[in-house]
Amino acid sequence: VMTQTQLSSPVTLGQPASISCRSSQSLVHSDGNTYVNWLHQRPGQPPRLLIYKISNRVSGVPDRFSASGAGTDFTLKISRVEAEDVGVYYCMQATHLPRTFGQGTKLEIK
Amino acid sequence: EVQLLESGGGSVQPGESLRLSCAASGFTFSDYGMTWVRQAPGKGLEWVSTIRDNGANTHYADSVEGRFTISRDNSKNTLYLQMNSLRVEDTALYFCVKDNGPGYDWFGLWGQGTLVTVSS
Repeated sequence: VMTQTQLSSPVTLGQPASISCRSSQSLVHSDGNTYVNWLHQRPGQPPRLLIYKISNRVSGVPDRFSASGAGTDFTLKISRVEAEDVGVYYCMQATHLPRTFGQGTKLEIK
Repeated sequence: EVQLLESGGGSVQPGESLRLSCAASGFTFSDYGMTWVRQAPGKGLEWVSTIRDNGANTHYADSVEGRFTISRDNSKNTLYLQMNSLRVEDTALYFCVKDNGPGYDWFGLWGQGTLVTVSS
């Protein structure tokens, strides 16, 4: 099970935001990698991969997005929230089957 | 262009069947495991099923085990999901997703989704 934290309130433009994700089991694969991803979904759109293997930004993802973690605890950080960052963020793991997703964290802008 | 294009969704009654398809292009389909993920209206993402690159292994969520069958035709670059005995709770947007394979951006390619509505 992947459990995400929720943002306490809308985030002010230009302010940071942080989302945590905790797994109920170790997500270290037998190959030594940890396949934890972060996805972003805007209304009416499919999810988009932002981060793979804990902390690797997908090409084209702004560097205001960063992620970290190990074992069972992971974090996505946005250094300065912009209007285009609204939507729902999901952590997920692709280490084990079944693949599992966090419940989603909605980012709203104040 | 690298893309996944789902089709086959529709509106059916409980107990009926549907077959979803996902046409892949722009990458070597046979190198990748493939996954179906669904999203009920207003809800989060739910993993449904995964198939290995060569089709030899399949995995299902408990909620669909015994009713859904995932398959693939690597000669046609197409993924399928046969859905039988559909229930109201299967109503969702079904996404086809590129899973594990060369490189590490697993779940980096999603289709636009195909909508399945189960209602009496």
